[in-house]
Amino acid sequence: AQKITQTQPGMFVQEKEAVTLDCTYDTSDPSYGLFWYKQPSSGEMIFLIYQGSYDQQNATEGRYSLNFQKARKSANLVISASQLGDSAMYFCAMRGYSGGGADGLTFGKGTHLIIQP
Amino acid sequence: DSGVTQTPKHLITATGQRVTLRCSPRSGDLSVYWYQQSLDQGLQFLIHYYNGEERAKGNILERFSAQQFPDLHSELNLSSLELGDSALYFCASKAQGAYNEQFFGPGTRLTVL
Repeated sequence: AQKITQTQPGMFVQEKEAVTLDCTYDTSDPSYGLFWYKQPSSGEMIFLIYQGSYDQQNATEGRYSLNFQKARKSANLVISASQLGDSAMYFCAMRGYSGGGADGLTFGKGTHLIIQP
Repeated sequence: DSGVTQTPKHLITATGQRVTLRCSPRSGDLSVYWYQQSLDQGLQFLIHYYNGEERAKGNILERFSAQQFPDLHSELNLSSLELGDSALYFCASKAQGAYNEQFFGPGTRLTVL
């Protein structure tokens, strides 16, 4: 079984500051992927960034980077230079790849990020 | 715009009724996943179809069923609806290859009265 834990239900951050959203995971799969999604108040789920368990380098996508610490089973999302439009729910998710990776994503409960001007 | 479409956007119905939610994946994607997002349970994986065949089941109730048609669109059927089935239902599609990300549709918000 897989489990994702996001310990920050909500965060307030000043605009232009960097933000770190915490995510820890648990899995028995030797090969897995970690994902971050953003859900604005409009409701859609927007893919942000992906990290494979065997990737040697931390993933980066524009202002988003993933601080992957495999031994600690953590996959924190870092948003640099936050903007008002970053205000949203953020979900960490994972998927194991044993059995061909057919299973769906396991999500955490999310962090509600509010960027203040 | 993710390229995944879902209809209807909103659905209001009564307990005991049956509804069908529709999803069209991105062009070329063979995989369709269904998820339920509720206040109680959060985001939960329901079921995965690949090229018309069921590939994996998650926390899907026996009252719920899904299928994927030859044109690759998928339908999620919810029957004997209960108040607790009120939720946002997402479908997501994925390109071939285990490591690719899933792209989510805009969701169907179901309200059971």
